[in-house]
Amino acid sequence: GENVEQHPSTLSVQEGDSAVIKCTYSDSASNYFPWYKQELGKRPQLIIDIRSNVGEKKDQRIAVTLNKTAKHFSLHITETQPEDSAVYFCAASRYSGGGADGLTFGKGTHLIIQP
Amino acid sequence: ETGVTQTPRHLVMGMTNKKSLKCEQHLGHNAMYWYKQSAKKPLELMFVYSLEERVENNSVPSRFSPECPNSSHLFLHLHTLQPEDSALYLCASSPTDGQGEQYFGPGTRLTVT
Repeated sequence: GENVEQHPSTLSVQEGDSAVIKCTYSDSASNYFPWYKQELGKRPQLIIDIRSNVGEKKDQRIAVTLNKTAKHFSLHITETQPEDSAVYFCAASRYSGGGADGLTFGKGTHLIIQP
Repeated sequence: ETGVTQTPRHLVMGMTNKKSLKCEQHLGHNAMYWYKQSAKKPLELMFVYSLEERVENNSVPSRFSPECPNSSHLFLHLHTLQPEDSALYLCASSPTDGQGEQYFGPGTRLTVT
C-alpha cells in the first residue's frame, strides 16, 4: 500500500518569513495530492491540492509543487501570518475518476509562527 | 449546520458497552469515509463507501462495524472496544464525480475506559 512521509514534524518561523513542508510517497500510481490544515480542536480543512498532470499550483500565499519522478511534493507558504499556525497534513491517493478513494496521510507538521 | 456533521462530539464508554457514531453530509456527495486520528499517528483510513456500498476496508478489527443506509448517512457501530481505541473519529465525504477532494466533519472524541 501507499506510504507517505512528511517532514519536518515541527516548524517554527518568524512572522513574514516563508515556510516549506515536504512529503514523499511510495506508490507511483498515486495521482492526487491534497494538503489539509487542522487548527487545534477543529476538523481538517483542504487548503490546496495538486494532480499528477500538473507540476505546480498556486493560490495566493500558498503553493504546492510536485515531482512525480522523485515522488515528492511540497507545500510553500509565503509571508506567514499568525493565523497560519496549525498542523498541516499532506496526503496521497489514486484518484480513479468516478470512484471513492481513501487518502493516505503523512504524520503532520506543527507550524508555529513566531511574532 | 451545513457540510458534514457528526454526533456525538464526545463519547466516553466502557469496554463492555455498545455505542454508535453518526455522520451526516449535506453536500450531495456519493462517497463517505471513516478515519481514525490518534495522538502522534497519522490520520488512518478505516472504511470507504461509494454509493452506499463498502469499497474499502483497511484491516479494521471487527469490533468496529460500519453502516451506510443511504448516501447522506454513515454510522460506526462500536462494541467491546479497547483503551487503545480512544481517538478522534473523523467522517468525510466526497463527490464520486468530482476531483477527489474530501470534506471532513468535526469528529467524535472517543474515550474508552
